[in-house]
Amino acid sequence: GQQVMQIPQYQHVQEGEDFTTYCNSSTTLSNIQWYKQRPGGHPVFLIQLVKSGEVKKQKRLTFQFGEAKKNSSLHITATQTTDVGTYFCAGRAGGTSYGKLTFGQGTILTVHP
Amino acid sequence: KAGVTQTPRYLIKTRGQQVTLSCSPISGHRSVSWYQQTPGQGLQFLFEYFSETQRNKGNFPGRFSGRQFSNSRSEMNVSTLELGDSALYLCASNRDTTSYEQYFGPGTRLTVT
Repeated sequence: GQQVMQIPQYQHVQEGEDFTTYCNSSTTLSNIQWYKQRPGGHPVFLIQLVKSGEVKKQKRLTFQFGEAKKNSSLHITATQTTDVGTYFCAGRAGGTSYGKLTFGQGTILTVHP
Repeated sequence: KAGVTQTPRYLIKTRGQQVTLSCSPISGHRSVSWYQQTPGQGLQFLFEYFSETQRNKGNFPGRFSGRQFSNSRSEMNVSTLELGDSALYLCASNRDTTSYEQYFGPGTRLTVT
């Protein structure tokens, strides 16, 4: 079945440093979503990417979808302590917009002030 | 607008028992998905319901079942509980088949002893 791998599993940064998490799927995806889960909280939707090579920005966050629609990345510029949490990617198998979402394992980000 | 609500928030059960968890989606949302979250396995998709019909199903044993009512409220049931079923069970809703952003509830923390 479809697998979505996310690396790194953990990332510790100093406040102000940049952070990137990568997501790779074993199969072509129709779209990919990113979620953030704060400690003790529930996942919160950040963004969805649909098009091959798509790049979207939200303030200090930049999301990319690979040309082959099998990988994606989330980059945070100049991290802040409010960025702490677990970042998940979640992909839907290619050929359908309504297939089940397969989540990556998540990257736990710690930001040291 | 009220968010996704889940009841109960915490539950302690004994091996062999069964449990029913409830999820009320955001008003107007017709799709409800269920996920199991554990530290070792991340977020695992259980099933998705839309208009009272199961649309997608994850790779969980038949002990895990669900249903959706005409008011879009959903329940999931786990029979013959095992220790490994201890997890945070998250429910997520979205509006309809054209809407992709999922809104997660706070989850039900199930502990099996």
